[in-house]
Amino acid sequence: QVQLVESGGGLVKPGGSLRLSCAASGFTFSDYYMSWIRQAPGKGLEWISYIGRSGSTIYYVDSVKGRFTISRDDAKNSLYLQMNSLRAEDTAVYYCARDRKGIPVAGTLDYWGQGTLVTVSS
Amino acid sequence: DIQMTQSPSTLSASVGDRVTITCRASQSISSWLAWYQQKPGKAPKLLIYKASSLESGVPSRFSGSGSGTEFTLTISSLQPDDFATYYCQQFNSYLWTFGQGTKVEIK
Repeated sequence: QVQLVESGGGLVKPGGSLRLSCAASGFTFSDYYMSWIRQAPGKGLEWISYIGRSGSTIYYVDSVKGRFTISRDDAKNSLYLQMNSLRAEDTAVYYCARDRKGIPVAGTLDYWGQGTLVTVSS
Repeated sequence: DIQMTQSPSTLSASVGDRVTITCRASQSISSWLAWYQQKPGKAPKLLIYKASSLESGVPSRFSGSGSGTEFTLTISSLQPDDFATYYCQQFNSYLWTFGQGTKVEIK
């Protein structure tokens, strides 16, 4: 069955860095677009980044552009999010999610991981 | 950016009720809309894609409709397992955005 397992979250000081990982299993990872979405405590969902197959296309929400970098390693069935210059407002649960196939436009997220909590605080 | 506005923000209903949640986009998004259900401490679950297509394994009491700027999610007969928060999401443009959520509570 499809599984996405995030790791790498934790407590970091403002200005610090973290690298999140998402281990995928149960499907051919290289065939799928992938995304990162976050949810601040008690708040709604915010899509933050997307990567196409083979890393061919990458998008970011403006609030993380220049600070976060999405990448993938298809040989390791893994998705990554390098987060630099972290701010208090980046505190959230970070989810990785798979893009559903069979739709002409990317953006439908059919499987999500359980999330990993990132806390930015001094 | 395309803004998504859901109404109501909170909805109190009883088991067996018909429930409708509305999602409005700030500009036309054709049918590029999905609905998700999220329970406390859990990841969101895809319910509806392309505005009206039911995801595999989702009960048929859930349905979606709409196109352009106005969309609805309907639960035909609310079940105990349906008390959760529901989000719409547009993917018309690459800056995908979610509505603020609608919490369905027990009346």
